[in-house]
Amino acid sequence: DTGVSQNPRHKITKRGQNVTFRCDPISEHNRLYWYRQTLGQGPEFLTYFQNEAQLEKSRLLSDRFSAERPKGSFSTLEIQRTEQGDSAMYLCAGGGGTSGIFYNEQFFGPGTRLTVL
Amino acid sequence: GENVEQHPSTLSVQEGDSAVIKCTYSDSASNYFPWYKQELGKGPQLIIDIRSNVGEKKDQRIAVTLNKTAKHFSLHITETQPEDSAVYFCAADERDDKIIFGKGTRLHILP
Repeated sequence: DTGVSQNPRHKITKRGQNVTFRCDPISEHNRLYWYRQTLGQGPEFLTYFQNEAQLEKSRLLSDRFSAERPKGSFSTLEIQRTEQGDSAMYLCAGGGGTSGIFYNEQFFGPGTRLTVL
Repeated sequence: GENVEQHPSTLSVQEGDSAVIKCTYSDSASNYFPWYKQELGKGPQLIIDIRSNVGEKKDQRIAVTLNKTAKHFSLHITETQPEDSAVYFCAADERDDKIIFGKGTRLHILP
């Protein structure tokens, strides 16, 4: 168990609805990453935070995707106007602990599986 | 940006035999190469990693090798057991510490 939790674990929604997922890393994780994983593929990087600063968002899949980490602890990923192609597993990972040697290790949560009908 | 290729996509080995998964990467600036194991319905689990200042690392039945000149790295699992059945991903870091994943290898351990 990495200590990273994600909620909800499963989400079923209708096309056009907005959805929001939450990720809670452990307190030592000053970095937080979001990935998308489709069936039979490896995780695909979306965005990441160093504390509350979003350091890269160019790989968010479209402007319908947004992420926040307002207090540098938990993070949310929102998808607006969902489409059937958004159906996937959304993973978050914590990392970048206080040890400089292991700053790029990433520890994943269990994921949120999104199904868009 | 970084591109990671992984093969084979599926691997079946007899219980007790060894399994080898190979990956190549494109960005010579990459310095960190983790391996993840993913079981059905779970998130990827970091099982071992290697950094560019070493060529080999071992942890019990798992070993990784890295050839920076050729830009390839491999995962070796010895004395395979049924619980080793899973999907394995290799990955490489990209600038700013993002991790780029391969497409995965589904490992089946046959009884």
